[in-house]
Amino acid sequence: DAKTTQPPSMDCAEGRAANLPCNHSTISGNEYVYWYRQIHSQGPQYIIHGLKNNETNEMASLIITEDRKSSTLILPHATLRDTAVYYCIVKNSNSGYALNFGKGTSLLVTP
Amino acid sequence: GAVVSQHPSRVICKSGTSVKIECRSLDFQATTMFWYRQFPKQSLMLMATSNEGSKATYEQGVEKDKFLINHASLTLSTLTVTSAHPEDSSFYICSARADREFNIQYFGAGTRLSVL
Repeated sequence: DAKTTQPPSMDCAEGRAANLPCNHSTISGNEYVYWYRQIHSQGPQYIIHGLKNNETNEMASLIITEDRKSSTLILPHATLRDTAVYYCIVKNSNSGYALNFGKGTSLLVTP
Repeated sequence: GAVVSQHPSRVICKSGTSVKIECRSLDFQATTMFWYRQFPKQSLMLMATSNEGSKATYEQGVEKDKFLINHASLTLSTLTVTSAHPEDSSFYICSARADREFNIQYFGAGTRLSVL
């Protein structure tokens, strides 16, 4: 699986958009980008995933650059409940192996 | 999304006792489930991969005789921490792979184990 790089921490004001970057410069053609988050003392929560097109669901938007070497998770209107550690994971969608979690980005949403 | 139920959410036990943690996929069948462990201020570490009807595959450094995994049905996997000691105190999290096409894993809420 390709390695990912994320900033260790970010702050965001409540109501503003939170843009969380992820670098995955060694991603291969059949690898997807997955985003999960973990709120303190809970299990990780699936957010979104994508291959090369931008994706949007009820939780967030995922913007993947044309060369696929980086992506950005966007929470359009962050709330205090979005405070969590966000993990960007790159993985082959056909792989039966487990997701490997790095250190992620600790997002703090402030009032 | 798919729901994974994990029970109990918290357990406190004496050193030397065994603790069983259950992981159930409530609205889907899961051929493969995974068990993770998370120590304070650290990321999730994969312990083992549990396959229905076969032996679990353990990650390097994880004692298979200490962490017994049983995946007897397509909706249930159990992790038993045998003869628990204080150093086994941790946050244990299970997950199940629901969507084979996109390899999405759904996670349980976790079990906080405290061994006195």
